[in-house]
Amino acid sequence: EAQVTQNPRYLITVTGKKLTVTCSQNMNHEYMSWYRQDPGLGLRQIYYSMNVEVTDKGDVPEGYKVSRKEKRNFPLILESPSPNQTSLYFCASSYGAGANVLTFGAGSRLTVL
Amino acid sequence: AQSVTQLGSHVSVSEGALVLLRCNYSSSVPPYLFWYVQYPNQGLQLLLKYTSAATLVKGINGFEAEFKKSETSFHLTKPSAHMSDAAEYFCAVSEDTGRRALTFGSGTRLQVQP
Repeated sequence: EAQVTQNPRYLITVTGKKLTVTCSQNMNHEYMSWYRQDPGLGLRQIYYSMNVEVTDKGDVPEGYKVSRKEKRNFPLILESPSPNQTSLYFCASSYGAGANVLTFGAGSRLTVL
Repeated sequence: AQSVTQLGSHVSVSEGALVLLRCNYSSSVPPYLFWYVQYPNQGLQLLLKYTSAATLVKGINGFEAEFKKSETSFHLTKPSAHMSDAAEYFCAVSEDTGRRALTFGSGTRLQVQP
């Protein structure tokens, strides 16, 4: 089944404790992206990657890091999480930008205390 | 820069009534426009997309949207609401082929009353 898999789905952590949210897709998509969803704000892009070893900032990149060492994986790293990073995170992938349709993961709900 | 405005963060309709969810966009070039739906505790799924072919676009589950360039709008409609349509709906715009892909609106939560 074609899908984007995120882990963990739910996580409660404390301020400053580094964490990684993994994202993997099995569709050979070149484009991958991370979004955060907050009430009343819709989805805002954190980082995206056009291909392996090519990443760029989205609209809200502060406090996050990403890497794209393999085509299928695009982990999101919070080096020192803070409470304002409490949010619902989505990974998505597609064959490219423009008219291409994004396939979304099921989401990862993160709470930072 | 591209942007999307969704009017109404919450819309409530009766089962069987018309559904109308509003979306206006801003784009410096001809845009690609999308509607996505998010059911509770799930990711987003594509409802439909506009890519400059027909201005009236039909999607899944009986939804359709009409691209109106003069009004910079892409409103989503369904003639008769069903209880299963209760979800959050996001309009999104993409105007380029190389960079950031979609810019999302803030979402409209649709409630369907029995």
